[in-house]
Amino acid sequence: QKEVEQNSGPLSVPEGAIASLNCTYSDRVSQSFFWYRQYSGKSPELIMSIYSNGDKEDGRFTAQLNKASQYVSLLIRDSQPSDSATYLCAVRGGKLTFGQGTILTVHP
Amino acid sequence: DAGVTQSPTHLIKTRGQQVTLRCSPKSGHDTVSWYQQALGQGPQFIFQYYEEEERQRGNFPDRFSGHQFPNYSSELNVNALLLGDSALYLCASSLVTGAHEQYFGPGTRLTVT
Repeated sequence: QKEVEQNSGPLSVPEGAIASLNCTYSDRVSQSFFWYRQYSGKSPELIMSIYSNGDKEDGRFTAQLNKASQYVSLLIRDSQPSDSATYLCAVRGGKLTFGQGTILTVHP
Repeated sequence: DAGVTQSPTHLIKTRGQQVTLRCSPKSGHDTVSWYQQALGQGPQFIFQYYEEEERQRGNFPDRFSGHQFPNYSSELNVNALLLGDSALYLCASSLVTGAHEQYFGPGTRLTVT
């Protein structure tokens, strides 16, 4: 079992829709959870961090964490073509471990 | 506020050679982590430096070594390059205290031929 698992996609949503990205992790002692966005040919950019159970909202982005289920998600509301990128889930226990990323395509 | 910088941007080396990549952390940060990202994969943790010492290490061979300088900048050295070392090498900086959010530099694209 991989330490951090994401559906590689691609996930395709129409412009204006909600994109839902999911991530599961195996280490129960993980304490910090992050979502990064990576455009093709660029480096990852931190877009959300979450540390406690529940929801955290920042603009069009909402991160959700459920430690009991070892599950973290990212919702993107009113998706725009500029949101098309690879979204990386990262989990910190000791070191920071990344999933393989989910490719999101938002089509006009 | 200066972000994380890395040099060089691109590098082409031959199998068996050695390479040194450089990273300057975001202003105010004291910890530097290095990652290797193969095409289509997430970044893989190589090691982390704090107070000029390697604090954590991922599953990489001893051919991968590093250094952190008193000004918090860091180097990644790779000896005896293999074709499989071709990847994007990312440096991320953070603060050892607090939320441990890591911010990435633009990366160095290494091609081994």
